[in-house]
Amino acid sequence: AQSVAQPEDQVKVAEGNPLTVKCTYSVSGNPYLFWYVQYPNRGLQFLLKYITGDNLVKGSYGFEAEFNKSQTSFHLKKPSALVSDSALYFCAVTSGYALNFGKGTSLLVTP
Amino acid sequence: DAGVIQSPRHEVTEMGQEVTLRCKPISGHNSLFWYRQTMMRGLELLIYFNNNVPIDDSGMPEDRFSAKMPNASFSTLKIQPSEPRDSAVYFCASSLESSPDGYTFGSGTRLTVV
Repeated sequence: AQSVAQPEDQVKVAEGNPLTVKCTYSVSGNPYLFWYVQYPNRGLQFLLKYITGDNLVKGSYGFEAEFNKSQTSFHLKKPSALVSDSALYFCAVTSGYALNFGKGTSLLVTP
Repeated sequence: DAGVIQSPRHEVTEMGQEVTLRCKPISGHNSLFWYRQTMMRGLELLIYFNNNVPIDDSGMPEDRFSAKMPNASFSTLKIQPSEPRDSAVYFCASSLESSPDGYTFGSGTRLTVV
């Protein structure tokens, strides 16, 4: 079985501050981990992925995520948040073919 | 490429009616996924096709739901009869291989059953 937990329903940060959106996972075997973003009334857009290699993964729009095997975490980070980053963020995991998504974290960046 | 195309964008129907959602995957992609998104349950995988063949339909809620992929460029998700609890946003996604690397999602169909 594989699953993802996003412990925060909402994260609120001020523009210019660093942001972190948390994700922990459970999977048998080697995990493939992903972050997607969803803007209102839109589909999910791929941000970044971890398959293997360097634990720090860089993705679109200045986002990055750190894979931590011992803590089974894959937190999404950005050094300086923008108001336009406000959206719904999903962590996903698979060890096979289909993605299992977390419930999502709503990120609100205030001016 | 126009991406994954879903139609209609919005559908409002009465309980008991048949609803058909449509998806055109990206040309060349050979894996197709149907997901359902609700506030309560988040994103749920309903069914997965590879090379037009259903591989895993364990997420299909019940017999009222059926999905087909008659060719590489078209898939449908049908609900018959529809019920108010089916109200959700239904997403289609495609990828090049069965690996989830490179999923592309459509914009979704917002279904409301009254």
